[in-house]
Amino acid sequence: EAGVTQFPSHSVIEKGQTVTLRCDPISGHDNLYWYRRVMGKEIKFLLHFVKESKQDESGMPNNRFLAERTGGTYSTLKVQPAELEDSGVYFCASSQVLAGGETQYFGPGTRLLVL
Amino acid sequence: AQSVTQPDIHITVSEGASLELRCNYSYGATPYLFWYVQSPGQGLQLLLKYFSGDTLVQGIKGFEAEFKRSQSSFNLRKPSVHWSDAAEYFCAVARQNAGNMLTFGGGTRLMVKP
Repeated sequence: EAGVTQFPSHSVIEKGQTVTLRCDPISGHDNLYWYRRVMGKEIKFLLHFVKESKQDESGMPNNRFLAERTGGTYSTLKVQPAELEDSGVYFCASSQVLAGGETQYFGPGTRLLVL
Repeated sequence: AQSVTQPDIHITVSEGASLELRCNYSYGATPYLFWYVQSPGQGLQLLLKYFSGDTLVQGIKGFEAEFKRSQSSFNLRKPSVHWSDAAEYFCAVARQNAGNMLTFGGGTRLMVKP
């Protein structure tokens, strides 16, 4: 079974440009999460989808970030316009709810560098 | 708000030596507890998890962790470290309800000396 995939693996853009990150969750996983790790900091939650609905977006830093999940399948995270402080690694995770607990499985991340 | 502390930012051990990585959490109730590992150039891989029951949990790659409620700790251990264990290790917690975000510690970077 394929794991969580993310595209691109790396992105280098200039300040003010737009970047769109994509995440394909494990098939059948209703829950999809985005996290971010900026340099030297902890991995921080950004938002959570259940199918196509945003369940919790309390971690989104500002309105330059827009996340969507088309038809409850893959998700995109757009940053527009990108700022220097947006540089970091963006992780996607997915899970399905099972009796006894939930385990999130992570993708390899997208390394974003804003110059 | 829940928080996770990994007191050791860097740890260096010799190959074959034992390892213990510390994790303490702050939360009003017993959360779900996880350890993830990130090898160079890789994503986060789940090592092990604690939901309930036996407080000593076994994971992949020979790792184990012990949940100690009285100490709010979930330390990761391995009896004999291999050079391939060099990586960054993250402790994480989540509320005991479905569909909740993970709160991560700052990570511990492990280096292994030959």
